[in-house]
Amino acid sequence: GAVVSQHPSWVICKSGTSVKIECRSLDFQATTMFWYRQFPKQSLMLMATSNEGSKATYEQGVEKDKFLINHASLTLSTLTVTSAHPEDSSFYICSAEQVLTEAFFGQGTRLTVV
Amino acid sequence: AQSVTQLDSHVSVSEGTPVLLRCNYSSSYSPSLFWYVQHPNKGLQLLLKYTSAATLVKGINGFEAEFKKSETSFHLTKPSAHMSDAAEYFCVVSGAGFQKLVFGTGTRLLVSP
Repeated sequence: GAVVSQHPSWVICKSGTSVKIECRSLDFQATTMFWYRQFPKQSLMLMATSNEGSKATYEQGVEKDKFLINHASLTLSTLTVTSAHPEDSSFYICSAEQVLTEAFFGQGTRLTVV
Repeated sequence: AQSVTQLDSHVSVSEGTPVLLRCNYSSSYSPSLFWYVQHPNKGLQLLLKYTSAATLVKGINGFEAEFKKSETSFHLTKPSAHMSDAAEYFCVVSGAGFQKLVFGTGTRLLVSP
């Protein structure tokens, strides 16, 4: 199957700093990428949907200015957690898909804010 | 609106015995249904998917699921559990074009020797 690479796999940052997470589709062009957040022992919650070259669509309750999403090319989307706080600590997972195909997931990023 | 309900938060089986993970869905139109597996601190791996073709879907690692419209169910089964099957399993529903996946709350499968 197609490969989606997410980087970094884990990151620790200080409160108040910003962290960027990258999601790349390695062997296909992804028309749409999705960002999810997973709290410990809970399910995945969709944060936002991004299409290449356009603004991301955020789910209700997700702060746009807090979680900046950029989908600059058909193979790369980035999620920047701005002014991170301990409550932003979580497991973030991206997925990428082509038109009318299944979604392929990255391996996830464990963010810890101290 | 679409939703999925995973009826069990935990399922414990012995190695070599059958596995049954239950999932019920709700959808206002013909859904696509998926089962994903997640090992600790890892991403998600697709086990199998139903997209309105055969109602009995065979997936990887010996797993299969049957789509039952009358019961709005999509239960995941495996005849014989292996220790490596211990993981978190998510039942997922989506609409046309595989957009907006909606995840169930997950079922943790525990396999004992």
